[in-house]
Amino acid sequence: GNSVTQMEGPVTLSEEAFLTINCTYTATGYPSLFWYVQYPGEGLQLLLKATKADDKGSNKGFEATYRKETTSFHLEKGSVQVSDSAVYFCALMGGRRALTFGSGTRLQVQP
Amino acid sequence: DARVTQTPRHKVTEMGQEVTMRCQPILGHNTVFWYRQTMMQGLELLAYFRNRAPLDDSGMPKDRFSAEMPDATLATLKIQPSEPRDSAVYFCASGLVLGTGPYNEQFFGPGTRLTVL
Repeated sequence: GNSVTQMEGPVTLSEEAFLTINCTYTATGYPSLFWYVQYPGEGLQLLLKATKADDKGSNKGFEATYRKETTSFHLEKGSVQVSDSAVYFCALMGGRRALTFGSGTRLQVQP
Repeated sequence: DARVTQTPRHKVTEMGQEVTMRCQPILGHNTVFWYRQTMMQGLELLAYFRNRAPLDDSGMPKDRFSAEMPDATLATLKIQPSEPRDSAVYFCASGLVLGTGPYNEQFFGPGTRLTVL
């Protein structure tokens, strides 16, 4: 079956630091890959997506590249802000069109 | 501003009671998902519907959980009887899926936080 593995949190960074959250996946076929963000007390919001190998998704300074050869979709941001503090979920979508999520990584950005 | 709405936002109940959670998907979306979020299990898919028909409920405990879509504007998730282990945040999401075409975003509601004592 499909599965997503992402790095354990929390990740604590100072403002303007570089962020990487690792995500790897196992899937049959050619899934689409996503990063969702969850702010405290809210539902999940789509942050970025990539639908085929070598695609790069980007949004709000965040980027992730779909690497088929390493089955990875790592999230990066060059300079984090306090407002980026949230829980980040890596997810994939296979043929069923339902999402399989990773366990989530909490990011804490300190001023 | 179209969004998925869920009611109630919070529910505290006692073991053995019936719980009904409601979701109003975004108008025009044909697919509705129910997810459960817990600290231990993370986000799990419970069930989903397309054009109001259940497509997959394999993630749902069948003996106590039921999910329905009485009409295109309402999805319900019912637990009867509830147990403490059902305590979680339940999210509804909706999206538009057309055949095998490209993915369209799933929009999540704010969730219902259920506590079963």
